[in-house]
Amino acid sequence: EVQLVESGGGLVQPGGSLRLSCAASGFTFSSYEMNWVRQAPGKGLEWVSYISSSGSTIYYADSVKGRFTISRDNAKNSLYLQMNSLRAEDTAVYYCARTSGYDSDFDYWGQGTLVTVSS
Amino acid sequence: EIVMTQSPATLSVSPGERATLSCRASQSVSSNLAWYQQKPGQAPRLLIYGASTRATGIPARFSGSGSGTEFTLTISSLQSEDFAVYYCQQYNNWLPITFGQGTRLEIK
Repeated sequence: EVQLVESGGGLVQPGGSLRLSCAASGFTFSSYEMNWVRQAPGKGLEWVSYISSSGSTIYYADSVKGRFTISRDNAKNSLYLQMNSLRAEDTAVYYCARTSGYDSDFDYWGQGTLVTVSS
Repeated sequence: EIVMTQSPATLSVSPGERATLSCRASQSVSSNLAWYQQKPGQAPRLLIYGASTRATGIPARFSGSGSGTEFTLTISSLQSEDFAVYYCQQYNNWLPITFGQGTRLEIK
């Protein structure tokens, strides 16, 4: 069974940093592209970042470029999101999501981890 | 950036009836469109990819159609568990991938 479990969320002050993790199991993690998607309270879905299966290709949304860094450790079946210079508008539930092996939709999602940026 | 616009924002339908949700792209996304269902407190779940292909385990009452800029998600004979928020997503242009703002399907 495919499982994605996020961790690392919490309360952080504006300008602070946080590192999110996503532990993957039930599939060959090193074969799949991965993403981070966030959802502000009561709002819709916003794609944040993408990383290829090898980690060689990375994309970011303009809203986080230069502040967030996506990475992965295929030996540990883990995906990460380093978030620096956090702002109030970064407050959201952050989901890791797997890119489908058939198409480029997101076929599995974790349950999410809440990041709250507030003083 | 491709803007995805969903309509209506809220749809009220009685159980057993049909629901039709729309999604429009600001430019062609070919058939590179997915639909997701999200219930309160849960992660989104993939329903449809490639505009019309049901994901694994998705009941046949869910169907998708369209290509280019106009897409439809149809749920025939609504069940109680279908009342949720539905999002469309384009993945034709990756920078950035974009979602619609969602349609809330509520019980009439």
